[in-house]
Amino acid sequence: QVQLQESGPGLVKPSGTLSLTCAVSGGSISSSNWWSWVRQPPGKGLEWIGEVYHSGDTNYNPSLKGRVTMSVDKSKNHFSLNLTSVTAADTAVYYCATRRGAFHYWGQGTLITVSS
Amino acid sequence: QTVVTQEPSLSVSPGGTVTLTCGLSFGSVSTSYDPSWYQQPPGQPPRTLIHSTNIRSSGVPDRFSGSILGNKAALTITGAQADDESHYYCVLFLGYAGVVFGGGTTLTVL
Repeated sequence: QVQLQESGPGLVKPSGTLSLTCAVSGGSISSSNWWSWVRQPPGKGLEWIGEVYHSGDTNYNPSLKGRVTMSVDKSKNHFSLNLTSVTAADTAVYYCATRRGAFHYWGQGTLITVSS
Repeated sequence: QTVVTQEPSLSVSPGGTVTLTCGLSFGSVSTSYDPSWYQQPPGQPPRTLIHSTNIRSSGVPDRFSGSILGNKAALTITGAQADDESHYYCVLFLGYAGVVFGGGTTLTVL
């Protein structure tokens, strides 16, 4: 069974860049899954941020395009998210997940707070 | 802006049946949008319940079922239990707009 674990800084300053990594275990990042990021602001619903395939192909939420980049590191079996020009509105729990059609496996999530 | 609609809140009696729906602001939901459903207890990550409209994920009790009802996707819980009290989200794959989550339904069992 695939297991996912997010890691990141916890606190990011406004206008800075949020960088997160998701470590994949129990499976290969070269498998036929889209590797996805989903976030959830405190007390609110889930929002899809985007996804990356092992080939490097990406799909991003149109509302975040221009600020988001995702990548895969096959040697480390992990994938990453960078979100630039962050504001308080980007404060959320960030989840990584696998998607093949639907989302199937989820990480536990990591809270990222944007504050000076 | 594409909006996926869900009832903000619903309630069901223990042992009762409840149907949660997932609609589109601009038209009908079909199987081509590959609807899926997720349960999220407070403070926990989502758990996948249903994919491909009506396929239960591994370990999901058969009291959860998915379907298309009219112009919406639907999640029906038959014989609701206390631990079904949770937040529920649907997801549609809209191609051009990517993956879109509904706003979520808070289900109360009382």
